[in-house]
Amino acid sequence: EAQVTQNPRYLITVTGKKLTVTCSQNMNHEYMSWYRQDPGLGLRQIYYSMNVEVTDKGDVPEGYKVSRKEKRNFPLILESPSPNQTSLYFCASSFSFRQSNTEAFFGQGTRLTVV
Amino acid sequence: AQSVTQPDIHITVSEGASLELRCNYSYGATPYLFWYVQSPGQGLQLLLKYFSGDTLVQGIKGFEAEFKRSQSSFNLRKPSVHWSDAAEYFCAVGDLEYGNKLVFGAGTILRVKS
Repeated sequence: EAQVTQNPRYLITVTGKKLTVTCSQNMNHEYMSWYRQDPGLGLRQIYYSMNVEVTDKGDVPEGYKVSRKEKRNFPLILESPSPNQTSLYFCASSFSFRQSNTEAFFGQGTRLTVV
Repeated sequence: AQSVTQPDIHITVSEGASLELRCNYSYGATPYLFWYVQSPGQGLQLLLKYFSGDTLVQGIKGFEAEFKRSQSSFNLRKPSVHWSDAAEYFCAVGDLEYGNKLVFGAGTILRVKS
């Protein structure tokens, strides 16, 4: 089954304690992105990757890091989480939108609370 | 910069009534347009997409959307709403330049009254 898998689904952590949210896709997609969802703001892109070892900042990258060492995995790293990073996070993957009949596949989300 | 506007934060309709959710976008080239639905506590499910061709697009769950280039709109419609359609709906435009970024609207929360 084609899917994007995120872990964990829920996480409560304390300010400053490094954490990693994992994302894995099984569709051989080149493109992967991380988004955060906040009420009234929709989803905003944090970082994206166009292939292995190719990553770049999205709209709200401050306080986050990513890596793409393998095509299927795209972890999101919070080196020193702060309460303003409390949010719902989604990982997404896709082929290029230039390919007709493609779409972005989303993980189930990770609800992060930083206290 | 690309942007998507969903003018209605909340909409309430009666079960069985018709529905239209509005979406306006700002994008320089031919847009890749999407509608997603998110049920409470759930992830995002794609309802339909427009890339090119016929401007009236059919999706899942009986939804359709019409692309109107002259109005920069991509409104979502359903002829008869079911209670299970209560959810939050997001319109998005795809941007090739930033890794297939999806630029989302703020969302419209649909309530269905019986």
